Amino acid sequence: DVKVTQSSRYLVKRTGEKVFLECVQDMDHENMFWYRQDPGLGLRLIYFSYDVKMKEKGDIPEGYSVSREKKERFSLILESASTNQTSMYLCASSQSGILDTEAFFGQGTRLTVV
Amino acid sequence: AQSVTQLDSQVPVFEEAPVELRCNYSSSVSVYLFWYVQYPNQGLQLLLKYLSGSTLVKGINGFEAEFNKSQTSFHLRKPSVHISDTAEYFCAVTPNRDDKIIFGKGTRLHILP
Repeated sequence: DVKVTQSSRYLVKRTGEKVFLECVQDMDHENMFWYRQDPGLGLRLIYFSYDVKMKEKGDIPEGYSVSREKKERFSLILESASTNQTSMYLCASSQSGILDTEAFFGQGTRLTVV
Repeated sequence: AQSVTQLDSQVPVFEEAPVELRCNYSSSVSVYLFWYVQYPNQGLQLLLKYLSGSTLVKGINGFEAEFNKSQTSFHLRKPSVHISDTAEYFCAVTPNRDDKIIFGKGTRLHILP
């Protein structure tokens, strides 16, 4: 069964902390995504990776960075967490070069920054 | 640039009544179209997709969607909803030759008893 796993369902962090959100997929997908979901704003793309060590900024990359050292793992990093980064974070993966493929999502990480 | 507009942020409907969730897109290139569903406290899962061919697409749980190229729409329909359809529904596009997925803002479906 296809699986995208996010390391935490809930996280509480303090302002200024460095925060790591981890995502692992077991489908050998080339593409991986980090989205942020907020009420009324839908899903907004933070970063997109189409291969190991390759990344592309999405619509709202400010305050975030990413790391993809291995094909199956895509990490989202908040260098210095702020309260406006309190949100639901969703990781997804898809197969590259097959445009009709669907994206597979993790369960999400609800991050609260206090 | 591509964009997706979901015209209704919330849709209340009585149980066993029909429902239509609206989606319009804009793109200068051909696109592939998707509907995803998010049940409470879960990630998103694929409901259905349009790639080419027949403009009426059937998905899981009795949902279907119709692609209308002239109106650039991809509305989602179900003839009779159930309480278990309570969820948020997202329309999405993947522009041709680009692996990025662009989502609409979502429509929350409320089923009334």
